[in-house]
Amino acid sequence: QSALTQPRSVSGSPGQSVTISCTGTNTNVGDYKYVSWYQQHPGEAPKLMIYDVNKRPSGVPDRFSGSKSGNTASLTISGLQAEDEGDYYCCSYAGSNTWVFGGGTKLTVL
Amino acid sequence: EEQLVESGGGLVQPGGSLKLSCAASGFSLNSYSMNWVRQAPGKGLEWVSYIVGGGSATNYVDSVKGRFTISRDSAKNLLYLQMDSLRAEDTAVYHCARGAGLRFDYWGQGTLVTVSS
Repeated sequence: QSALTQPRSVSGSPGQSVTISCTGTNTNVGDYKYVSWYQQHPGEAPKLMIYDVNKRPSGVPDRFSGSKSGNTASLTISGLQAEDEGDYYCCSYAGSNTWVFGGGTKLTVL
Repeated sequence: EEQLVESGGGLVQPGGSLKLSCAASGFSLNSYSMNWVRQAPGKGLEWVSYIVGGGSATNYVDSVKGRFTISRDSAKNLLYLQMDSLRAEDTAVYHCARGAGLRFDYWGQGTLVTVSS
């Protein structure tokens, strides 16, 4: 049940695009199409942004997109906005009703 | 509107016990799987426990197996996490999160558990 690997931080200017990677193993990310991404602002509850690798819940802007290749999933945010700044966590189903999260990535909008 | 509100956190000595509650509104807990996810100070999220919707099947992260117990009171629409034999490394904000498919679609703000002498 080791955590998924994410970069500690990424940054971008308003209007630019950034991509956050999430690397797991063939027992979690590589084995299931159930990767989700969560945004968390300081002191707030996490918010679901992407699920099932590339699906967006209603209300999440289409600037947010997800993908997966092998054992690595990615979250791309295009047209960066100031309110996108925060922490982002990936999560993968790992079988037998267990889940594993990434260590989190701090996104800074310059 | 769906809402989750945790309570029951606090300061407890190593080896002690604590019972967390999560009050759900806007939906029936019995209709969804529910989870506890924790976040140690300055650290990332860690899935802790799961209970199936409408049933009793449960699961836990290895580090809490045998010490933590998840349960649900459907009549009161409350989710619980009984935490025994607490260790310093259990110090964290504990969030309850609703399961939808294999994702967590609604989260509570969390309740802080501090294990220290």
